[in-house]
Amino acid sequence: DAMVIQNPRYQVTQFGKPVTLSCSQTLNHNVMYWYQQKSSQAPKLLFHYYDKDFNNEADTPDNFQSRRPNTSFCFLDIRSPGLGDAAMYLCATSRGEDGQETQYFGPGTRLLVL
Amino acid sequence: GDSVTQMEGPVTLSEEAFLTINCTYTATGYPSLFWYVQYPGEGLQLLLKATKADDKGSNKGFEATYRKETTSFHLEKGSVQVSDSAVYFCALPGGYNKLIFGAGTRLAVHP
Repeated sequence: DAMVIQNPRYQVTQFGKPVTLSCSQTLNHNVMYWYQQKSSQAPKLLFHYYDKDFNNEADTPDNFQSRRPNTSFCFLDIRSPGLGDAAMYLCATSRGEDGQETQYFGPGTRLLVL
Repeated sequence: GDSVTQMEGPVTLSEEAFLTINCTYTATGYPSLFWYVQYPGEGLQLLLKATKADDKGSNKGFEATYRKETTSFHLEKGSVQVSDSAVYFCALPGGYNKLIFGAGTRLAVHP
């Protein structure tokens, strides 16, 4: 089945220690998104890629970076995690053809910062 | 700007009760409308969608009708089950391939 895969499902890191979260997709979608979600609040968009074009949200802290080396993979790098960065991180994809399409979400990675 | 307003939760129901979760929106034009569901510990998944006025989206016994005149997209189910316990998000496209989400409504169904 075509899908969005996130690894790992749970990630523990130390305060200030860089961490990378991974996302892959078999849907061959143009757009890949990274969201941060805290305590069942609505997901908050951090940034997204349309193909190789990176689109950062204005309020995303510089501590968060992303890479998309190819269509299938996208990474979220947190350079110096703080306690406030503990959250669920969701990857999503969409075709990106008219902006009205469904977004397909991965299962998420729950990040714990010690 | 465009926005989505959902009824606040949590909503607590007994099994087989009728469910309504209200969603209203503000948007220019006539965007597609979505309901996403998030089960505990999981990512979001599309529950249903409607692409134009008077369309009814349906899935797994849930329904929502795109009402242009009231700018609403209320989610309904005639008989909820314990397995429907989740957080439900109403959403609409926000331009540049983004989604605007409502705050989410937590539903708890008890046997």
